[in-house]
Amino acid sequence: AQSVTQLDSQVPVFEEAPVELRCNYSSSVSVYLFWYVQYPNQGLQLLLKYLSGSTLVKGINGFEAEFNKSQTSFHLRKPSVHISDTAEYFCAVSETSYDKVIFGPGTSLSVIP
Amino acid sequence: DAGVIQSPRHEVTEMGQEVTLRCKPISGHDYLFWYRQTMMRGLELLIYFNNNVPIDDSGMPEDRFSAKMPNASFSTLKIQPSEPRDSAVYFCASSSTGRDQNEQFFGPGTRLTVL
Repeated sequence: AQSVTQLDSQVPVFEEAPVELRCNYSSSVSVYLFWYVQYPNQGLQLLLKYLSGSTLVKGINGFEAEFNKSQTSFHLRKPSVHISDTAEYFCAVSETSYDKVIFGPGTSLSVIP
Repeated sequence: DAGVIQSPRHEVTEMGQEVTLRCKPISGHDYLFWYRQTMMRGLELLIYFNNNVPIDDSGMPEDRFSAKMPNASFSTLKIQPSEPRDSAVYFCASSSTGRDQNEQFFGPGTRLTVL
């Protein structure tokens, strides 16, 4: 069965500092990987996704993530965060041949002025 | 495209009342998902449909919860009778395996408060 772990439930970071949000998954088959962002009082929006090909994936708002198959990880990074990046971030995994997407518990990113 | 549409955006009701949440998926999407989000339990998948047919309802908490999808453009999630512990934000999402491979598009959610 698939599962997603986000080890950090809360990450505070100063404005313009770099940030990394960690995600590890478990699956016995090939997977698609996603990062979603949820701003306060809103639904989830897709930040980026890995389907195949290059392991470095670039998304919206300057975020990027790297797929590491050997470590079963898909960490999200941004070199310089902005106040507007304050939000909840969800890592998710889906089997390529299956319909359901499994979401991690989320990481709350707080950007400090 | 207007995106996934959910109504109402907010619902306040009293314990024991019936609650119906509505969702209109993105046109052309063949999958529809209902999620519940709470602080304690995070984001939980309740049920999902493919081509209007329920595929997996193992996440539905109790018989008080039911979901229908009478056609490709409309789905409902009903709670009868409602209880205070049902208070949460309920999200609907849709996706298409033909394109955007498993990317789910979420609605704005319905915030349900059961008094």
